[in-house]
This record gives sequence, C-alpha cells and structure tokens, in this order.
Amino acid sequence: ELKVEQNPLFLSMQEGKNYTIYCNYSTTSDRLYWYRQDPGKSLESLFVLLSNGAVKQEGRLMASLDTKARLSTLHITAAVHDLSATYFCAVDIRGAQKLVFGQGTRLTINP
Amino acid sequence: DSGVTQTPKHLITATGQRVTLRCSPRSGDLSVYWYQQSLDQGLQFLIQYYNGEERAKGNILERFSAQQFPDLHSELNLSSLELGDSALYFCASSPGVYNQPQHFGDGTRLSIL
Repeated sequence: ELKVEQNPLFLSMQEGKNYTIYCNYSTTSDRLYWYRQDPGKSLESLFVLLSNGAVKQEGRLMASLDTKARLSTLHITAAVHDLSATYFCAVDIRGAQKLVFGQGTRLTINP
Repeated sequence: DSGVTQTPKHLITATGQRVTLRCSPRSGDLSVYWYQQSLDQGLQFLIQYYNGEERAKGNILERFSAQQFPDLHSELNLSSLELGDSALYFCASSPGVYNQPQHFGDGTRLSIL
C-alpha cells in the first residue's frame, strides 16, 4: 500500500526566512502533486511534477521531484504572511488512477 | 473560482439518515472525483467517474455510492450515517480519464449529530 509522508506536519516561521517541506512516498509513482489549502477552503493546485528531476517554480515556491529517492520538496523562499496555509503533497498510484495524499503541513508565517 | 460547484455547502443530520451531495464539474471536464477530508483520516480518495462510468475506486464504504449523470453532474449518496462520517466532502474534476484533478469544489461540510 502506498504511503505518503510529509515532514514537518507543523511549521512556524518568520517572514523573510527560507524553509523546505519534504514529501516521501513508498512505492513507484508517475506523478506528484502539490496543493495548498487555506482554512475552511478548498484545495488549490500548485504544481504537478511528472518526471525525475522535475523542478517547477511559482513566485516564492519551488517544487522538485527525485523519483529514485521517492522524495519531493517544496521550498519556500523569503516567506511572506500570505503563504500561511496547509500544503499537501499527493502521489498518483501507477496504473490505479488513485491519488494518495500526505498528512499535510500546516505552515504559519509570522510577521 | 475553480468552476466546480458543490451543493449544499453545509449539511447537518442525524445518525442513521441518508444524504445526497451534488457536484457539477468544470465546463468541459468529463471526470469527476470525490474525496473525504476528516481530522482522523486526512484526505482520502473515494471514487472517480468518467463520462458516466465508474473508473477508479478508493476507500469508499459500502454505505456510500455515487453516480454521474448524462449531463456530467455527479451525486454522492451516503446512507446509514454514523458519527464518523462527519467530514468535508470535496468534488473535483478534470478533462480526461487519466488526469488527476486540478480543480476542486468548495466542499460540502457534513455534520452528523
């Protein structure tokens, strides 16, 4: 059974700092997704990573994928308060069309 | 606005009852996915429909069922409700059968009393 684990689960940081959220998964997968969820709101798709070595950037967020290590990272550069949210990674089970989510990382950015 | 519409936004009901959640996918999307988000189970995939046919099944209980209609809207039926069914239920859609969802609805918050 595919397991997806995020680390850390809670992260409190100051504005202007850099930090990384890690997403490990246990079996081979074709694709990895990152989503953002604001409190009480829906999920917003951030990135889709399709191959080993894929790197995508949007503003202060950068996601990467290492399929050999079964690891994806979401790096936050010079954090701002607006990035406070819960971030989920999700992995596509190869051939099963089933998305398995990590537990989520609740990110709080303090002024 | 994701373009995915879910109704109702909130539902409060009692144990043993049955409810129906409704989802209209984004215009042009043929796949509809249902997810459950709860504090203890996290986000779980329930079921996917593509153009009216069931395509993938996740951790969906036998008390739950879904269908997708010719106009592509979908309904998730939850019966014999238990306290543990209290959760946020999301619908999402995508254009094809193999894409994972990019657009999520705002969810239906189900509270079982």
